Amino acid sequence: DTEVTQTPKHLVMGMTNKKSLKCEQHMGHRAMYWYKQKAKKPPELMFVYSYEKLSINESVPSRFSPECPNSSLLNLHLHALQPEDSALYLCASSQVPQGPSYEQYFGPGTRLTVT
Amino acid sequence: KQEVTQIPAALSVPEGENLVLNCSFTDSAIYNLQWFRQDPGKGLTSLLLIQSSQREQTSGRLNASLDKSSGRSTLYIAASQPGDSATYLCAIYNFNKFYFGSGTKLNVKP
Repeated sequence: DTEVTQTPKHLVMGMTNKKSLKCEQHMGHRAMYWYKQKAKKPPELMFVYSYEKLSINESVPSRFSPECPNSSLLNLHLHALQPEDSALYLCASSQVPQGPSYEQYFGPGTRLTVT
Repeated sequence: KQEVTQIPAALSVPEGENLVLNCSFTDSAIYNLQWFRQDPGKGLTSLLLIQSSQREQTSGRLNASLDKSSGRSTLYIAASQPGDSATYLCAIYNFNKFYFGSGTKLNVKP
C-alpha cells in the first residue's frame, strides 16, 4: 500500500472558523510533510515532521498549527484564516528523513476555500 | 539556496511524438532528483527518482537522466499519448527539503 490519504477533499470555511485537515499513511514512513499549493505554482513546504517531532517550520503563520499524534497521522489545525490562505493543501510522507533513496509520496490534497 | 528551473513552461505536441522536458538546478550538492506528474486539482504522482550517484532511470515510456556537473535533468517521454497531458514537476532533495521547479504543462493533442 503506497497510499497517502487526506480528508476532507474540499473544505469551505469562514475567517472565524476552526477546522482541521487530516492526513494518514500506513507505509511505515517516519517523515511527514505539509505543503501549500496555489494555482499554477509549485508546492511550497510548510512543515516537516521526523519521528513525530516537528523538524522544519518554514515561517508559517501561527493560524496554521500542525500536529503529529502518531507515526501514521498528521493533522493541520486551521484558525482565523484569511482569504489568501485558499489553496490546495498537500500532505506527503517518506521512508526516511534524509538520504539518496528518499522518495516522497503525496496525497490527493484538500482544496481549501476561505470566505 | 537551491533554485530549480523548468523550461518550457508549456508544451503542446501531437499524439505519438517523442518529447523532452528540461529541469535545471543551481547547486550540484543533491541527494536525489524526483520527477512528478500532477493532474489539475490533484496531488502529485511520483514518476521517477534518480539518486545522486545515478545517471538515469527508466520506467515504461519514461526515461529520466541526471547530469550533476551541468546541473541538468531531462525527462524523455516516448510515443506521447493524450493521457500524458498533465503538469510535470521536477524536485531536488537535499538537507531535508524538496526544492520544486515551477513545472511544464504538457498537452498532447489527439
